[in-house]
Amino acid sequence: DTAVSQTPKYLVTQMGNDKSIKCEQNLGHDTMYWYKQDSKKFLKIMFSYNNKELIINETVPNRFSPKSPDKAHLNLHINSLELGDSAVYFCASSPRDRGLKQFFGPGTRLTVL
Amino acid sequence: SQKIEQNSEALNIQEGKTATLTCNYTNYSPAYLQWYRQDPGRGPVFLLLIRENEKEKRKERLKVTFDTTLKQSLFHITASQPADSATYLCALPPRNTGKLIFGQGTTLQVKP
Repeated sequence: DTAVSQTPKYLVTQMGNDKSIKCEQNLGHDTMYWYKQDSKKFLKIMFSYNNKELIINETVPNRFSPKSPDKAHLNLHINSLELGDSAVYFCASSPRDRGLKQFFGPGTRLTVL
Repeated sequence: SQKIEQNSEALNIQEGKTATLTCNYTNYSPAYLQWYRQDPGRGPVFLLLIRENEKEKRKERLKVTFDTTLKQSLFHITASQPADSATYLCALPPRNTGKLIFGQGTTLQVKP
């Protein structure tokens, strides 16, 4: 049983394209997150949604737009992709107490050429 | 400035020995601290949480300490095994932010 799933696993695309990454969790958690892990392995939070409401929006370019159609799904759309967007993007969820015990998805490796 | 620092150099130890990983933080006063394990090509997996009023926490071969005066957490793996080889991340929540800040992680290599 997959707890937090992401698609696709790998994404290779050209600069300037628009792409989306999908995330789903079947844990019944209220809060979901997007993280970016760069080549130096730093894991940084980008966005957080609680029950479909945006609660954390770090200093991320507005080319990145999260969307939560329901509390089990949090998708990430990226417009006008740039070389610097190449990274591994992780979706995560956590139960009601915010910040406690995050459950991560397997990650999406995005490569922008 | 606020920082979380973990040894960026890999830690190499012999099987059966105790591995000790360090997490130091500056200009934070976290209510708790967490440790995660990350294997190559996978997402981090939660291991342990220790609260500010707890000095030590154990789970099987894992032990975590939290010294709020030194602003440091130590993560120990006793009787280490090659299967313990991975990157270990510490994370803490700045107060009233609802988010976790992660350290860079320390890669542990346990040799048979």
